[in-house]
Amino acid sequence: DQQVKQNSPSLSVQEGRISILNCDYTNSMFDYFLWYKKYPAEGPTFLISISSIKDKNEDGRFTVFLNKSAKHLSLHIVPSQPGDSAVYFCAASEYGNKLVFGAGTILRVKS
Amino acid sequence: GAGVSQSPSNKVTEKGKDVELRCDPISGHTALYWYRQSLGQGLEFLIYFQGNSAPDKSGLPSDRFSAERTGGSVSTLTIQRTQQEDSAVYLCASSLGLGSSGNAEAFFGQGTRLTVV
Repeated sequence: DQQVKQNSPSLSVQEGRISILNCDYTNSMFDYFLWYKKYPAEGPTFLISISSIKDKNEDGRFTVFLNKSAKHLSLHIVPSQPGDSAVYFCAASEYGNKLVFGAGTILRVKS
Repeated sequence: GAGVSQSPSNKVTEKGKDVELRCDPISGHTALYWYRQSLGQGLEFLIYFQGNSAPDKSGLPSDRFSAERTGGSVSTLTIQRTQQEDSAVYLCASSLGLGSSGNAEAFFGQGTRLTVV
């Protein structure tokens, strides 16, 4: 049973446009959500997070939105840059307990 | 350094041999994870250690895989009688662990690329 799902295996976006990556979860006890970015031959690196008490968190070009009623979160990147091309993983946790990761979405930003 | 350290960075082994992969987590982190990523695949959870609790081994693919964490710090992942399908990048991560939602943020090492020939 996949508790965290990223239903889009890949996404292609033109440079300068908005990238929207989506993530759904099933466990209503999750209270913390994170996005990680992974380049080939490197470990994933933390990008941005959001607590369940918020519905939006912004950091520069990156914004994460949380819709608790729909058990859905999304990562918006605007404007997208070629260097943003990577695999993006959504993850969730309950009170600091084991992180559960989605399968990842490959983002390609075309110049 | 202050990050998660994994060794070796690359390992080539013959089918049937045993291998040990090492992970040095960030000091003070009580939680430690092992994942693997096969070519073109997502992150596959293997095992999770949290403090002194019994580890969550639910992701280990077979009894050829085992892991231990000594003294709540360094962890070793052992694969016995390696098979070609074990070839993957093995990633270790650590976090502050239970106690606060924000403690969930995990920091990853660079991984060990295992090739079984």
